[in-house]
Amino acid sequence: NAGVTQTPKFRILKIGQSMTLQCTQDMNHNYMYWYRQDPGMGLKLIYYSVGAGITDKGEVPNGYNVSRSTTEDFPLRLELAAPSQTSVYFCASSRAQGAPDTQYFGPGTRLTVL
Amino acid sequence: AQSVTQLDSHVSVSEGTPVLLRCNYSSSYSPSLFWYVQHPNKGLQLLLKYTSAATLVKGINGFEAEFKKSETSFHLTKPSAHMSDAAEYFCVVRDINTGTASKLTFGTGTRLQVTL
Repeated sequence: NAGVTQTPKFRILKIGQSMTLQCTQDMNHNYMYWYRQDPGMGLKLIYYSVGAGITDKGEVPNGYNVSRSTTEDFPLRLELAAPSQTSVYFCASSRAQGAPDTQYFGPGTRLTVL
Repeated sequence: AQSVTQLDSHVSVSEGTPVLLRCNYSSSYSPSLFWYVQHPNKGLQLLLKYTSAATLVKGINGFEAEFKKSETSFHLTKPSAHMSDAAEYFCVVRDINTGTASKLTFGTGTRLQVTL
């Protein structure tokens, strides 16, 4: 049981490039989330999903897109990278039933846009 | 709307002395409260959570937190700090009534330094 895995661990992009951050969970969780963490700040929610085929915007969705074709995977897409997207990105998942449902976090992807 | 305020951005203690990390919250409904720890270059790990049952919550690694509704506080404590406790700690609130998804609001974090 690997929990939540993210790839890549590090990435440097040039302005205008695109990339996909991968996130996979093997806990059969219906809920999945993407956060970004800027230096000295808490995490801010980018997008979340309550199940396959269902996604919704979080607090800071601009410049990002997501899809959820399977329960396990929740990729985050950056189409036109900008320096403001330099951050550490965390994926998380939680169960559907019961409250409060604990979120389990991946190890993060450190992205630099130059 | 919910919010979290971590009152100290940085706390330094000596090994073997008590730890107190302060957190105040604001919530329109009955909140759920969490403390997460983040070690350098690692993901976040749940320390403990308050679920509207017992107000004194015990977590992993000897940490505990007390929910005080009258003070809207959820401070994290540990009787005796260990060098391995040095990390960033986040207080997190979730409104029970935010719908089906578990939308969390994070504090800005407290960096705990433990010295010999």
